[in-house]
Amino acid sequence: GQQLNQSPQSMFIQEGEDVSMNCTSSSIFNTWLWYKQDPGEGPVLLIALYKAGELTSNGRLTAQFGITRKDSFLNISASIPSDVGIYFCADQLLSGNTPLVFGKGTRLSVIA
Amino acid sequence: AAGVIQSPRHLIKEKRETATLKCYPIPRHDTVYWYQQGPGQDPQFLISFYEKMQSDKGSIPDRFSAQQFSDYHSELNMSSLELGDSALYFCASSPGGTKQFFGPGTRLTVL
Repeated sequence: GQQLNQSPQSMFIQEGEDVSMNCTSSSIFNTWLWYKQDPGEGPVLLIALYKAGELTSNGRLTAQFGITRKDSFLNISASIPSDVGIYFCADQLLSGNTPLVFGKGTRLSVIA
Repeated sequence: AAGVIQSPRHLIKEKRETATLKCYPIPRHDTVYWYQQGPGQDPQFLISFYEKMQSDKGSIPDRFSAQQFSDYHSELNMSSLELGDSALYFCASSPGGTKQFFGPGTRLTVL
């Protein structure tokens, strides 16, 4: 089935540092979604990307939809302790009202 | 803004018992998805409903069933529970298209 390869698996960074994580696939996708999940809570949608090459920001977060439509990255600038959590990339299997498939997640730890 | 509501938030059951999880989507969202997330895993799609009809089916065991009611809320019914069913169960709602908004989840523990 569809597989999203997300890296790195985990990161330990100092508060104030910038963070970059990415997601790749062997398949072409029409959208990329980035979610953040806190322990025991539901994933929260951070950014949605719809067009190859698209660069979108949400506060300190920036995400880009790769030109090949097979990858995406998420950057977090000037990290703060509340950035701690698991970040997932996700895609739809097909267009329309269809389920999401998730990457394995990047676990971010911020050291104050 | 209204969010997805799930109940109960926590549930403890014995093996072979049944469980019912409820999901109340965001108002005017017509699509509901159910996902299961094991410890340290990513969410896995179980089943979805659009306008009260089942639309997609994922890795949902035959012991599980679900439906969406006329008020758009959805229930996931789980029978003959097994230890391996212990997980977080999420409901996500969508107004259509790509974006899915997740609820806080139900943590099911099977003893």
